[in-house]
Amino acid sequence: DQQVKQNSPSLSVQEGRISILNCDYTNSMFDYFLWYKKYPAEGPTFLISISSIKDKNEDGRFTVFLNKSAKHLSLHIVPSQPGDSAVYFCAASARGAGSYQLTFGKGTKLSVIP
Amino acid sequence: DGGITQSPKYLFRKEGQNVTLSCEQNLNHDAMYWYRQDPGQGLRLIYYSQIVNDFQKGDIAEGYSVSREKKESFPLTVTSAQKNPTAFYLCASSAFSGPYNEQFFGPGTRLTVL
Repeated sequence: DQQVKQNSPSLSVQEGRISILNCDYTNSMFDYFLWYKKYPAEGPTFLISISSIKDKNEDGRFTVFLNKSAKHLSLHIVPSQPGDSAVYFCAASARGAGSYQLTFGKGTKLSVIP
Repeated sequence: DGGITQSPKYLFRKEGQNVTLSCEQNLNHDAMYWYRQDPGQGLRLIYYSQIVNDFQKGDIAEGYSVSREKKESFPLTVTSAQKNPTAFYLCASSAFSGPYNEQFFGPGTRLTVL
């Protein structure tokens, strides 16, 4: 039973346009959410995170939005660049419950077309 | 340079042999984790350790064993009991305390069992 779902296995976007990657979760105990970026045969690198007390967090070209009532978060990349082409993983943890374990989605492969 | 190292990058073993994957970190992190990634799948937690000489099973611990004798090291042994050991293995670490203890990942080890 997947607690973190990334329903789009892949996404193609033109360079300079906005990329929107979506993530849904089912566990209402999750209160901290992270996005990781991964290139093939490498470890994931941390991109951006958001606590459940916020609904938006921004870092440069990356913005994460959280809709707690819908149990949905999204990562916006603006403008998209060819170097953004990678697999993006959404992850969640229930820190308020004392758990620092991360539950990952299956990832979305983003291709930014020059 | 602080970081997490995993060795080797590629590992081949014959079926029925145990194999140990190395993970070392010099970030002074308390917690360390082992994940497994299969094609088209997210990262699944094998084992984690929040403190030296203590570790807990993750979601898919069967057929694996770990030790945490030093803060810097968290080796993973893939035993012959693991039914499908060929996969990409990722080690991660995080500071245990504090609100923003994101997990940082090593470069991974690709294990192929022949």
